[in-house]
Amino acid sequence: GIQVEQSPPDLILQEGANSTLRCNFSDSVNNLQWFHQNPWGQLINLFYIPSGTKQNGRLSATTVATERYSLLYISSSQTTDSGVYFCAVPIYNQGGKLIFGQGTELSVKP
Amino acid sequence: DVKVTQSSRYLVKRTGEKVFLECVQDMDHENMFWYRQDPGLGLRLIYFSYDVKMKEKGDIPEGYSVSREKKERFSLILESASTSQTSMYLCASSLNRKAFFGQGTRLTVV
Repeated sequence: GIQVEQSPPDLILQEGANSTLRCNFSDSVNNLQWFHQNPWGQLINLFYIPSGTKQNGRLSATTVATERYSLLYISSSQTTDSGVYFCAVPIYNQGGKLIFGQGTELSVKP
Repeated sequence: DVKVTQSSRYLVKRTGEKVFLECVQDMDHENMFWYRQDPGLGLRLIYFSYDVKMKEKGDIPEGYSVSREKKERFSLILESASTSQTSMYLCASSLNRKAFFGQGTRLTVV
């Protein structure tokens, strides 16, 4: 089955720094989502990005489907950005079951 | 915005109890999912449902059952709770392969 790998596994930043998180996937996909898991455990939708680039405030994401990777950019990081970031791809013949990467744990220090 | 609501954020149950975790979505989505999340193991699919009264086993269905009597509600049942089922449980619904998650239920079995 499809494999999803994220890097780096963890990241420590000073407030105000920029960062790039990477998601590689082993097979072609028609969809990809980025999530932020907050300290209370909820997965918050960041981007639904099967291809191309999207921006939402200080966050942006780019997926290059032909090269099987996606990038999440966080600019001018804030302490509230801390948490775990997941990318996930759906499996179409299993009702859209998501295959998750292992996550990147981000810690932003004041 | 889509809202997925799980009945409890924290739950403590005794070994052997029958436990019900409830999940309700408000957007008429056909697909609903139950995942559990454990340190080092990531998110794993327990069951999913693609319509009322329809269910499919995920990757780790043992010790669990589900019920979907109405489209908006998907229940996860632990027939006889065990300490190995102490975990974070996440419910999701999806439309067009875009998933939305509830706030999560942190279950402790003692």
